[in-house]
Amino acid sequence: GESVGLHLPTLSVQEGDNSIINCAYSNSASDYFIWYKQESGKGPQFIIDIRSNMDKRQGQRVTVLLNKTVKHLSLQIAATQPGDSAVYFCAGRDSGNTGKLIFGQGTTLQVKP
Amino acid sequence: NAGVTQTPKFRVLKTGQSMTLLCAQDMNHEYMYWYRQDPGMGLRLIHYSVGEGTTAKGEVPDGYNVSRLKKQNFLLGLESAAPSQTSVYFCASSGYDYNEQFFGPGTRLTVL
Repeated sequence: GESVGLHLPTLSVQEGDNSIINCAYSNSASDYFIWYKQESGKGPQFIIDIRSNMDKRQGQRVTVLLNKTVKHLSLQIAATQPGDSAVYFCAGRDSGNTGKLIFGQGTTLQVKP
Repeated sequence: NAGVTQTPKFRVLKTGQSMTLLCAQDMNHEYMYWYRQDPGMGLRLIHYSVGEGTTAKGEVPDGYNVSRLKKQNFLLGLESAAPSQTSVYFCASSGYDYNEQFFGPGTRLTVL
């Protein structure tokens, strides 16, 4: 079956450093990927998305890289801040016209002051 | 716009009791979803709907029922609650032509 997984359950970084959160997926038919941020006690919040016809997409302080050859995507956060501390989920769109997303298990980002 | 709202925010049930969780969205989205989130398990899809009057099973549908009588509302029902259904439940919605899902704040359910 399809799966999306994150490489590390927890990532600890120093404030001001760059963070890289990795994710692997198994379904080569997935054509859309999305990263969510979830703070404690809240619902997931959209960060950035990327379609499979792109290799890179940039937002404000965040960059998503997609490597379709090895079925891997990453989220890079520049100049990590304490407010970035949260759980980060990657998700890939299921094949078919239902909008369903397959979520990974999440990586907890801890930012040390 | 309120986005996606969920009612209630917290609930404690005894085994065998029933309840309904309400999700409402004001973005005129076609698709709506119910997920459960358990520690270390990420988000798992329970049921979803691709339009008013339609529902479909997701990854973990057993023990739950849903209804989408109005486009803006998606109800999740537990007919006979079990301790294994203790979880945080999230509702989400998305438009037809794009795939970003907007999430509600969640409902924390405890079944004793």
